[in-house]
Amino acid sequence: NAGVTQTPKFQVLKTGQSMTLQCAQDMNHNSMYWYRQDPGMGLRLIYYSASEGTTDKGEVPNGYNVSRLNKREFSLRLESAAPSQTSVYFCASSDWGGNEKLFFGSGTQLSVL
Amino acid sequence: GENVEQHPSTLSVQEGDSAVIKCTYSDSASNYFPWYKQELGKRPQLIIDIRSNVGEKKDQRIAVTLNKTAKHFSLHITETQPEDSAVYFCAATDAGNMLTFGGGTRLMVKP
Repeated sequence: NAGVTQTPKFQVLKTGQSMTLQCAQDMNHNSMYWYRQDPGMGLRLIYYSASEGTTDKGEVPNGYNVSRLNKREFSLRLESAAPSQTSVYFCASSDWGGNEKLFFGSGTQLSVL
Repeated sequence: GENVEQHPSTLSVQEGDSAVIKCTYSDSASNYFPWYKQELGKRPQLIIDIRSNVGEKKDQRIAVTLNKTAKHFSLHITETQPEDSAVYFCAATDAGNMLTFGGGTRLMVKP
């Protein structure tokens, strides 16, 4: 089992460019999440998908969109990147909701110049 | 929504000493409190968790205590080793069963 796989690992964008972060899990989990990690601020939830076919905003959704493509895949899109979106992004999954163990991907380090 | 505060932000101990990290939460309906460890450049990984019907849980050198009345919970690491050096995050669920994380504690264990 690969667990949670996210791509790319590193990305540099110019302000205004767009990109999509891809995430896939092979554990048959129902719930998937996107977090961003900034120094001293822990992990903040951007969007989540409690189950296939549903998506909801988290704590910091502005500037992002998501798509739950199927049960395995959950993508995060930046339509017009801004320097404030420079961060490390983690995808995660759990069996059902936040009351269960989260399995994280290896992270994407994004720099917006 | 839930607010989780974590202290201290950095902690330095000598190898063999104990380390304690404390968190407070705001939502009295929270019922799940996990702790994640993140080594440098790696992904966060669950090390221990506790649910609201339990006051204490232990796994080898790691223990977590929960005080629901005071709305705080703590991570205790005994006999620290250099490989315990990492960033530790506490978290708590909110009313919608979504996790809110604390700001993290950087633990440094000096040999």
